[in-house]
Amino acid sequence: AQKVTQAQTEISVVEKEDVTLDCVYETRDTTYYLFWYKQPPSGELVFLIRRNSFDEQNEISGRYSWNFQKSTSSFNFTITASQVVDSAVYFCALSVYSGAGSYQLTFGKGTKLSVIP
Amino acid sequence: SQTIHQWPATLVQPVGSPLSLECTVEGTSNPNLYWYRQAAGRGLQLLFYSVGIGQISSEVPQNLSASRPQDRQFILSSKKLLLSDSGFYLCAWVRGQGLGNTEAFFGQGTRLTVV
Repeated sequence: AQKVTQAQTEISVVEKEDVTLDCVYETRDTTYYLFWYKQPPSGELVFLIRRNSFDEQNEISGRYSWNFQKSTSSFNFTITASQVVDSAVYFCALSVYSGAGSYQLTFGKGTKLSVIP
Repeated sequence: SQTIHQWPATLVQPVGSPLSLECTVEGTSNPNLYWYRQAAGRGLQLLFYSVGIGQISSEVPQNLSASRPQDRQFILSSKKLLLSDSGFYLCAWVRGQGLGNTEAFFGQGTRLTVV
């Protein structure tokens, strides 16, 4: 069975501070995909990034960066110079192929980030 | 481009009343479709998923059911709502084929309040 743990339930930072959201996953599959989603107050989930299990290269996109480490089963998300618009709930997710064209997508419980002006 | 529609956006229903939430996807064929529920202050719980017409897999025993009458339509139903059914319901789709194209795209959600 797959599991995603986001140990940080809520984080508050002051604007312009850096913040890292932790994600630890569990799976026995050797091929899997990891995701981060952002859920602003409006409720819709917004896809941020996908990483497959064979690509441990870290990625940077503007103020966002992701650190994927298979050795520790972690896929952490860092926001640099946080802004008020970053306030949202962030979800880490794990997808594995479960056969017959089906993907099992498991989410963590989310981390609520509040950026204080 | 692909889009996903989910309605209604908000719904207030009395206990014991029926429920029908609809989700449709455009611009793709044979998607994997999912229903998730997000209770207040909690994470996303997978309720149902479907890999094709008429095929439904249930992840959690509950008061709800799902149906997929058409390739790009996914319906969440209940015959009699419970207070505990309140929550934010999200429909999502994933491309049904091809490794790597597995990110899920979500609808805007339905906020259900059972009173």
